[in-house]
Amino acid sequence: QSVLTQPPSVSAAPGQRVTISCSGSSSNIGNNYVSWYQQFPGTAPKLLISENNKRPSGIPDRFSGSKSGTSATLGITGLQTGDEADYYCGTWDSSLSAWVFGGGTKLTVL
Amino acid sequence: QLQLQESGPGLVKPSETLSLSCTVSGGSISSSSYYWVWIRQPPGQGLEWIASISYSGDTYYNPSLKSRVTISVDTSKNQFSLKLSSVTAADTAVYYCARLPGLVGSFDYWGRGTLVTVSS
Repeated sequence: QSVLTQPPSVSAAPGQRVTISCSGSSSNIGNNYVSWYQQFPGTAPKLLISENNKRPSGIPDRFSGSKSGTSATLGITGLQTGDEADYYCGTWDSSLSAWVFGGGTKLTVL
Repeated sequence: QLQLQESGPGLVKPSETLSLSCTVSGGSISSSSYYWVWIRQPPGQGLEWIASISYSGDTYYNPSLKSRVTISVDTSKNQFSLKLSSVTAADTAVYYCARLPGLVGSFDYWGRGTLVTVSS
């Protein structure tokens, strides 16, 4: 059971927009930065969004992040088949003194 | 370009100690701005943070693994290491090393990962 809650899967058609939610509590998302990671099968996760909404160099602006209260959201616009991957949210939990992740969301581009 | 590379045995027997190293190239592990991290992913499952260490040796451990884990840094080799004792099949996973800018930042560079199987 992950500390952060993500939907197991989401799907949308090419060109459409999709959002992936990440729900936590005041000890983690509520008071710390959220980051998002993209992982293709058999490869290491890749940083997509840092500090709630910052895109590292090289990440297309089709990817966006936001946070409100104890929840965060990853948005992907102009979906491409190449976006099919697992997406994870993560943050520091101040009560646990530990990094915590969501269980991951599998994105399918139909 | 910073690169991280995990190394260590791919097979460990139950009850023994898993030992992995992460070699950092293209940058110094001695920077005060960063923590160095181990994260694992059991087959078909999600990510689990194991431990973090600064170049000066400040350490943070996952409470659920703390009694079995030791993370250390060797600045002379630009490496950091993980030891996980008394392993069981539940410790079978891909183990990743990564860089963390600040204790509560985000994991910006990752190694490719190494699969460790616990089996007799």
